[in-house]
Amino acid sequence: EAGVVQSPRYKIIEKKQPVAFWCNPISGHNTPYWYLQNLGQGPELLIRYENEEAVDDSQLPKDRFSAERLKGVDSTLKIQPAELGDSAVYLCASSLTWGGKNEQFFGPGTRLTVL
Amino acid sequence: GESVGLHLPTLSVQEGDNSIINCAYSNSASDYFIWYKQESGKGPQFIIDIRSNMDKRQGQRVTVLLNKTVKHLSLQIAATQPGDSAVYFCAENMRYNTDKLIFGTGTRLQVFP
Repeated sequence: EAGVVQSPRYKIIEKKQPVAFWCNPISGHNTPYWYLQNLGQGPELLIRYENEEAVDDSQLPKDRFSAERLKGVDSTLKIQPAELGDSAVYLCASSLTWGGKNEQFFGPGTRLTVL
Repeated sequence: GESVGLHLPTLSVQEGDNSIINCAYSNSASDYFIWYKQESGKGPQFIIDIRSNMDKRQGQRVTVLLNKTVKHLSLQIAATQPGDSAVYFCAENMRYNTDKLIFGTGTRLQVFP
């Protein structure tokens, strides 16, 4: 079974440019997440969905970041405009809830460099 | 290859030795804890988890210990192998929000021959 797929794997843009990341969760999982990971730190949740509804986006900088759940499967994360401080790895995860617990599976991430 | 972090706490062990990675968590209300392994250029990978009603759980070559009194979690890796080299994160799950993981800083494990 394929894991979480993310693209692109790397993106280099100039500041003030827009950028978009795409995520395809594991088939059958209904809860995609977007995390941000700065160098030397653990992932931090940006937004998570349950089906098509965003249920926790408290850490998402809504003035420049937006996320979408596409047709109940794929998800995109967009930054417009990008700032220098947005350089980081953006991780997508999807989850399967079983036995009363929630196990999250992570994709490889997109490394964003803003120049 | 790429580096997840350049200034992480680092544990260096010899191949075949046992490794112990420690983590202090912040919220006494957390009731579910997970250890993740992150190799260079990859996303975190689930290793083992434990609920707060347990103080020890064993997997294949790995053991997680939970001390709720001092809010401390540890991951023990038996007979450490070169493939164990990675950054290890503990994550806590808040009782009132079962899907939100709070990750710790991470520890880099280096295995030398």
